[in-house]
Amino acid sequence: QKEVEQDPGPLSVPEGAIVSLNCTYSNSAFQYFMWYRQYSRKGPELLMYTYSSGNKEDGRFTAQVDKSSKYISLFIRDSQPSDSATYLCAMSKVIQGAQKLVFGQGTRLTINP
Amino acid sequence: DGGITQSPKYLFRKEGQNVTLSCEQNLNHDAMYWYRQDPGQGLRLIYYSQIVNDFQKGDIAEGYSVSREKKESFPLTVTSAQKNPTAFYLCASSTPGPYGYTFGSGTRLTVV
Repeated sequence: QKEVEQDPGPLSVPEGAIVSLNCTYSNSAFQYFMWYRQYSRKGPELLMYTYSSGNKEDGRFTAQVDKSSKYISLFIRDSQPSDSATYLCAMSKVIQGAQKLVFGQGTRLTINP
Repeated sequence: DGGITQSPKYLFRKEGQNVTLSCEQNLNHDAMYWYRQDPGQGLRLIYYSQIVNDFQKGDIAEGYSVSREKKESFPLTVTSAQKNPTAFYLCASSTPGPYGYTFGSGTRLTVV
């Protein structure tokens, strides 16, 4: 069983829709939770991060963490064609004194004008 | 501008050859990482280095080697022992803590 599971999609929605992206995890040692956005043939860039259970909002994006269910989500409101990308969840744990990131498989998202 | 530079952007390798992927950063980060990305598999950690002259194996280190002779540079060699090297390779560096990762633009390696 993978430590982090993410539905790879692809996911295609019309412009303006609300998008929900989700990841589950099995390791309770994960302390920090992140979402990265990756455009085609580019490196990932950090979109949002959070530490505690609950919601964190940044503009049209909301990150949600439920540690009791080992479940994290990213919501995108009023989705735009420029949001079309692959979204990767990532979780961090300490290994031998170093923070180690474990990534989900990534979900490819397309927003149709 | 500070950032991470990976070169080349595209690389073709014949079977049996070793190839080296370059990664240079001017962010003054101590830690550097190499990840491999395959379709539907996310990013998998190959090697990482927390300080100069020291590095550790990640989850899929077999068939790869690295060096860290300078803080700014962390080259990755894909050896002939790597059975399936065709993939997108990403280099990253980070500040202490989990949120400070910066990725390069990647190198796409294809075995021909």
